[in-house]
Amino acid sequence: GAGVSQSPSNKVTEKGKDVELRCDPISGHTALYWYRQSLGQGLEFLIYFQGNSAPDKSGLPSDRFSAERTGGSVSTLTIQRTQQEDSAVYLCASSFGEKLFFGSGTQLSVL
Amino acid sequence: QKEVEQNSGPLSVPEGAIASLNCTYSDRGSQSFFWYRQYSGKSPELIMSIYSNGDKEDGRFTAQLNKASQYVSLLIRDSQPSDSATYLCAVPGGISGYSTLTFGKGTMLLVSP
Repeated sequence: GAGVSQSPSNKVTEKGKDVELRCDPISGHTALYWYRQSLGQGLEFLIYFQGNSAPDKSGLPSDRFSAERTGGSVSTLTIQRTQQEDSAVYLCASSFGEKLFFGSGTQLSVL
Repeated sequence: QKEVEQNSGPLSVPEGAIASLNCTYSDRGSQSFFWYRQYSGKSPELIMSIYSNGDKEDGRFTAQLNKASQYVSLLIRDSQPSDSATYLCAVPGGISGYSTLTFGKGTMLLVSP
């Protein structure tokens, strides 16, 4: 595609429910990143995929968060048993080199 | 903990003025530095990168780097209302090493007509 695509653009869920966020990176980009941005805050690194290497999960805030990347392309970020503090914009980015291209994000609201 | 610090602002300047945005970083091993612009409700986009001490100019934008002082800045000349956005400083390094970027919280710039 022309850019990084994320879905859904908005997600409202109830506390305790599981959610899945999807990211479709730019074709040919080997690196894929998930960040989250809370209101008025900077971007918080979550997880990084590079090619076929094991993902770098060092930014995941708890074991309720997990992510996978299938076939070196599409990635899914899963949050289990969502909490109100998980409410944020979840941004995916891909790159082939130093420049990160961000998707438009998923606004997650946990009620 | 590797940190990137920015004043949150808002920085208010009149149209046509020079806007100066500043950033300090804690990791002396960082070798490359990036400025991203984020319009309200939008995702960040890369506008400048700099690797060597000194100035790098691109149109109305100039990035300045001083590794000894661990300081990087972005100057916007002839500021326009369309420059109103949050500017994020980003430096490789963080809990996962230099493969990922650590972002500052950003400085909001407001350019008044």
